[in-house]
Amino acid sequence: DGGITQSPKYLFRKEGQNVTLSCEQNLNHDAMYWYRQDPGQGLRLIYYSQIVNDFQKGDIAEGYSVSREKKESFPLTVTSAQKNPTAFYLCASSIYGGLGTEAFFGQGTRLTVV
Amino acid sequence: RKEVEQDPGPFNVPEGATVAFNCTYSNSASQSFFWYRQDCRKEPKLLMSVYSSGNEDGRFTAQLNRASQYISLLIRDSKLSDSATYLCVVTSSNAGGTSYGKLTFGQGTILTVHP
Repeated sequence: DGGITQSPKYLFRKEGQNVTLSCEQNLNHDAMYWYRQDPGQGLRLIYYSQIVNDFQKGDIAEGYSVSREKKESFPLTVTSAQKNPTAFYLCASSIYGGLGTEAFFGQGTRLTVV
Repeated sequence: RKEVEQDPGPFNVPEGATVAFNCTYSNSASQSFFWYRQDCRKEPKLLMSVYSSGNEDGRFTAQLNRASQYISLLIRDSKLSDSATYLCVVTSSNAGGTSYGKLTFGQGTILTVHP
């Protein structure tokens, strides 16, 4: 079945540690996105990528890094520089970053700093 | 001003009621519009796209007003299963006409349908 997979579903991190969240899609989509959602709030864009080896900062990129070495994969690293990383992280993809294209989401990763 | 704004609600309505949500966007170059539904602690899923001429899918009707830069979602004959958060989503194009590839979400409107 085609889809977008995030792992792990739950992640606990100690303060000062970097962690990497995985996002893989087999939909042959060009565009991929990372969003952060805090309780009672909407989705805020962290990074997005329209093609391999290219990505752009979103609205809240500080403390995060990404790579897009393969079309299928768009991992997000939450660095120790991110002061408040506890949140629900959602990865999405769309056929291309074009007009009228639906975005499909993974099931999300809940990151908790302990 | 936020790029996409929604009334967060919550909207509490009885079964069978009709309820409407509005969403405003600030970028006049915005080209594509969607409504997504998000259940508690789940990922968002596409409810419907919004077309210039307006469109309907069963009990759901979406409208776009480009002049006033808002979109709306109307739910008729509300069901208990309609309880969720409804997210307004906008994509924008650059001067060259191709999309930034950036989806911008509103904060969502919470709907609770009660018996």
